[in-house]
Amino acid sequence: NAGVTQTPKFRVLKTGQSMTLLCAQDMNHEYMYWYRQDPGMGLRLIHYSVGEGTTAKGEVPDGYNVSRLKKQNFLLGLESAAPSQTSVYFCANSAGPSYEQYFGPGTRLTVT
Amino acid sequence: TQLLEQSPQFLSIQEGENLTVYCNSSSVFSSLQWYRQEPGEGPVLLVTVVTGGEVKKLKRLTFQFGDARKDSSLHITAAQPGDTGLYLCAGRGTASKLTFGTGTRLQVTL
Repeated sequence: NAGVTQTPKFRVLKTGQSMTLLCAQDMNHEYMYWYRQDPGMGLRLIHYSVGEGTTAKGEVPDGYNVSRLKKQNFLLGLESAAPSQTSVYFCANSAGPSYEQYFGPGTRLTVT
Repeated sequence: TQLLEQSPQFLSIQEGENLTVYCNSSSVFSSLQWYRQEPGEGPVLLVTVVTGGEVKKLKRLTFQFGDARKDSSLHITAAQPGDTGLYLCAGRGTASKLTFGTGTRLQVTL
């Protein structure tokens, strides 16, 4: 079992370009999350989903969109990338809101 | 917004030393989790503490939840190079959302 996987692992974008990060799980968990991790700031929640077809805003949602068309996939989109979005992005899932979160390996994104 | 401050931010010690990492907030949390993250990987859960004053031990690691459920500490006895990593606390507050701390980067050298 792969658990939580993320693609791509690395990406470099120019300002204004768009891209989609894919998160896939084989754990059949209802809840999925997208975080960004920046030095000295821990992990900050961007968006999350409590089930197929649902999404909700987290702490830092501006500049990002998400979709959860299938239970096993959670997509994070950047419509017009900005240098402030340079970060490491982590996807996670959990069986419920109070359960352990399982994280993917991360995507390192650089916007120049 | 519930904030979690961790201290120290960085810690470099030699093998065999003891250390304590602190996680503090002005907010009350229903539970608190500790994660460890190694370079190039996502965080992995170490422990969850739920009750005020609760102490949990995981081999050489001792976790304590403050009586008022606003703070927590992680104590490592006789640190080993394998303990090297980024330690993150995460508090579960309103709406069952997790708020992550700022992180403590630990390096243990031989």
